[in-house]
Amino acid sequence: QKEVEQNSGPLSVPEGAIASLNCTYSDRGSQSFFWYRQYSGKSPELIMFIYSNGDKEDGRFTAQLNKASQYVSLLIRDSQPSDSATYLCAVMDSSYKLIFGSGTRLLVRP
Amino acid sequence: SAVISQKPSRDICQRGTSLTIQCQVDSQVTMMFWYRQQPGQSLTLIATANQGSEATYESGFVIDKFPISRPNLTFSTLTVSNMSPEDSSIYLCSIQGENTGELFFGEGSRLTVL
Repeated sequence: QKEVEQNSGPLSVPEGAIASLNCTYSDRGSQSFFWYRQYSGKSPELIMFIYSNGDKEDGRFTAQLNKASQYVSLLIRDSQPSDSATYLCAVMDSSYKLIFGSGTRLLVRP
Repeated sequence: SAVISQKPSRDICQRGTSLTIQCQVDSQVTMMFWYRQQPGQSLTLIATANQGSEATYESGFVIDKFPISRPNLTFSTLTVSNMSPEDSSIYLCSIQGENTGELFFGEGSRLTVL
């Protein structure tokens, strides 16, 4: 069974710190990887995607992918209280379906 | 990006009844996806709805329980039949983006079954 694993958290960081969110996946055939943010009571919204090994930066967000280790991460620099949410990792498997992790809850303390 | 509207946004239902959720997209899309998010859980794909053909259901989901309609390229419905408290979830309609298969979601329909 294809799996996407995330630490459920909560991950608590002070305002201004770097938050590091991690995700591992089981399907070696996966090609595309996505990070979604979900505020309580809201639907997920796409933050960024990555499909090449290495880093991809978009503003305060950096996605990191290591296919050999089957590991993808999201770094949030200068964390703000408004970043407090659940972050979902999603992996497109070899049949082009998105498999979601259970999410990591991030709390940014003012 | 496309606007995805779902109705109802929330409902409280009695055990044994059925409820139909509507999803409207403001542009034509080939595939629409229905996900379920149970309390404290992640998103699970229920089925993929293609216009003009039967929906494709994922393991653990059956047409009798979750019938889906896809009458045109902008609209789909998901019915949750003979509901039980275990069906209390958020049901999300989604479409695929044009880049690398990213999904965009409607606002969700939060169902509570008593």
